Amino acid sequence: NAGVTQTPKFRVLKTGQSMTLLCAQDMNHEYMYWYRQDPGMGLRLIHYSVGEGTTAKGEVPDGYNVSRLKKQNFLLGLESAAPSQTSVYFCASSYPRDRGFSYEQYFGPGTRLTVT
Amino acid sequence: GQQVMQIPQYQHVQEGEDFTTYCNSSTTLSNIQWYKQRPGGHPVFLIQLVKSGEVKKQKRLTFQFGEAKKNSSLHITATQTTDVGTYFCAGSRASNTGKLIFGQGTTLQVKP
Repeated sequence: NAGVTQTPKFRVLKTGQSMTLLCAQDMNHEYMYWYRQDPGMGLRLIHYSVGEGTTAKGEVPDGYNVSRLKKQNFLLGLESAAPSQTSVYFCASSYPRDRGFSYEQYFGPGTRLTVT
Repeated sequence: GQQVMQIPQYQHVQEGEDFTTYCNSSTTLSNIQWYKQRPGGHPVFLIQLVKSGEVKKQKRLTFQFGEAKKNSSLHITATQTTDVGTYFCAGSRASNTGKLIFGQGTTLQVKP
């Protein structure tokens, strides 16, 4: 199993450009999450999904959109990138429904995004 | 909103010394999790505590959950260079979303 994978690993955008970050998991997890990590701020939840076709806002959703069309994929979109969105983005998944109750989160390797 | 505060932000120790990081929530938690992130890496799950007053050990690591389920600590005995990284606590309130609120993390440096 690959676990949680993210593409791309690195990206540089100019202000106003758009992009989509892709997260994929092969663990049949129901729940998926997008976080951003900034120095001294820990991990902040952007959006999350509790199942295919459902999404919800987290702590810092402004400027981002998400979609979960397939259970294994969770996409994070930036419609008009701003320098304040320079960060490391992590995707995570949890809750293997067919293996009992566990909310531990499995993280992908991250995407380092710079907006100039 | 719910907040999880973690102290200290940084800790430098000599190899062999002990290390402790503390986590405090503004609200009662249903459970707390701990993660470790190595430099340049991603967070990796260490443990989950669910019961009031719970204590769990993993080799040199001891995790505690407070009686009021609002605070937690991670203690490492006799640190090694392999312990270097950032340790995060993450609290969860009772819900069916698995959402976690992460503390800011404590970055541990170990001098050999």
